[in-house]
Amino acid sequence: QQPVQSPQAVILREGEDAVINCSSSKALYSVHWYRQKHGEAPVFLMILLKGGEQMRHEKISASFNEKKQQSSLYLTASQLSYSGTYFCGTSRGSELSFGAGTTVTVRA
Amino acid sequence: GAGVSQSPSNKVTEKGKDVELRCDPISGHTALYWYRQSLGQGLEFLIYFQGNSAPDKSGLPSDRFSAERTGGSVSTLTIQRTQQEDSAVYLCASSQGLAGGNEQFFGPGTRLTVL
Repeated sequence: QQPVQSPQAVILREGEDAVINCSSSKALYSVHWYRQKHGEAPVFLMILLKGGEQMRHEKISASFNEKKQQSSLYLTASQLSYSGTYFCGTSRGSELSFGAGTTVTVRA
Repeated sequence: GAGVSQSPSNKVTEKGKDVELRCDPISGHTALYWYRQSLGQGLEFLIYFQGNSAPDKSGLPSDRFSAERTGGSVSTLTIQRTQQEDSAVYLCASSQGLAGGNEQFFGPGTRLTVL
């Protein structure tokens, strides 16, 4: 079942912070985060495993609350290069179910 | 090394025709996944292959869709009697193991347009 992402879109100025949330109705083994720029393929950011630590990619970090079946992606001190659509992918082992995506626009 | 490649990059076809989309995964990756992404939408899982196991076809939207993976490497997604609603970008991804615990590497996709 597809996870729910929020918000659908966010507009930031350079240097601002944002949080993207991802929630599932089922128990999860892992949560993945990918970023897709317009016209390009999704690119892996990080994976959070059940029982694992909070992960970080540059100034982007994420957490995974297994009990609540939720994950959050934190964009800190955003840069122009952070613009794109962020997808969370949830897994119970073999497949990934992707959310509808959150479009992030970072302006100078 | 080379990443995941897909061909063709664009395909325009007429309603009712069959199409074949090809994916070359990263060498050594045992898992291969196909997704469909409609305009402005998320990624819809279609099918995955893991090693020599039978593929998981649970995401295929109809029996017009089929896929095979030869020799544990190249995969072909076939859509028979295409319909306009099949228009989308078809993405292939490979990983060292099952998606749950491994990074997925995506190909550039095939943009399919059914007229």
